[in-house]
Amino acid sequence: GQNIDQPTEMTATEGAIVQINCTYQTSGFNGLFWYQQHAGEAPTFLSYNVLDGLEEKGRFSSFLSRSKGYSYLLLKELQMKDSASYLCAVRLDRGSTLGRLYFGRGTQLTVWP
Amino acid sequence: DAEITQSPRHKITETGRQVTLACHQTWNHNNMFWYRQDLGHGLRLIHYSYGVQDTNKGEVSDGYSVSRSNTEDLPLTLESAASSQTSVYFCASSESRSAGNNEQFFGPGTRLTVL
Repeated sequence: GQNIDQPTEMTATEGAIVQINCTYQTSGFNGLFWYQQHAGEAPTFLSYNVLDGLEEKGRFSSFLSRSKGYSYLLLKELQMKDSASYLCAVRLDRGSTLGRLYFGRGTQLTVWP
Repeated sequence: DAEITQSPRHKITETGRQVTLACHQTWNHNNMFWYRQDLGHGLRLIHYSYGVQDTNKGEVSDGYSVSRSNTEDLPLTLESAASSQTSVYFCASSESRSAGNNEQFFGPGTRLTVL
């Protein structure tokens, strides 16, 4: 089976930096996605990594190490609106599962003033 | 603008009834997916389709069925609703199965309650 782990909850204060980790053990790999989901809403795409290294997009960055099965999402200059659930998802690369995403259970981030 | 819509947004039904949730996308995407989201489980894949007349089972497909007669729609049917199927259901679509950053776009969700 596929296993994707991320912390259940995290808290941080406005203006701070927070790092949300994701580890995965999957039968194949063809990219890792991070999604943001506010309460009662649909997930929305944040970032994508397929090669090792850091991808930066404004206040958000995502890192991938394929050899370690590890990724993190880094959020800088936290704002209250960043309070949400952050979902890590791995895309598989084999046969009939090609293109499928397997999601972790999500990390609920609460940003305090 | 292209979009993905779901209907109804909220549904209450009784155990044993057949229920169909609609999903419609105007992205012209080949790939469409149905997920359910429950506390403590995250998003779990129910069924998916890579094109017209193609359907595949996901991790939690028992009690659900889909059909793909055109590119735009992938309706999800609960054959005989059970209380364990009370959940929030999300439909998603994507352009390609493997190439590059082709993210899945999610619909707004349907909250289904089975009494």
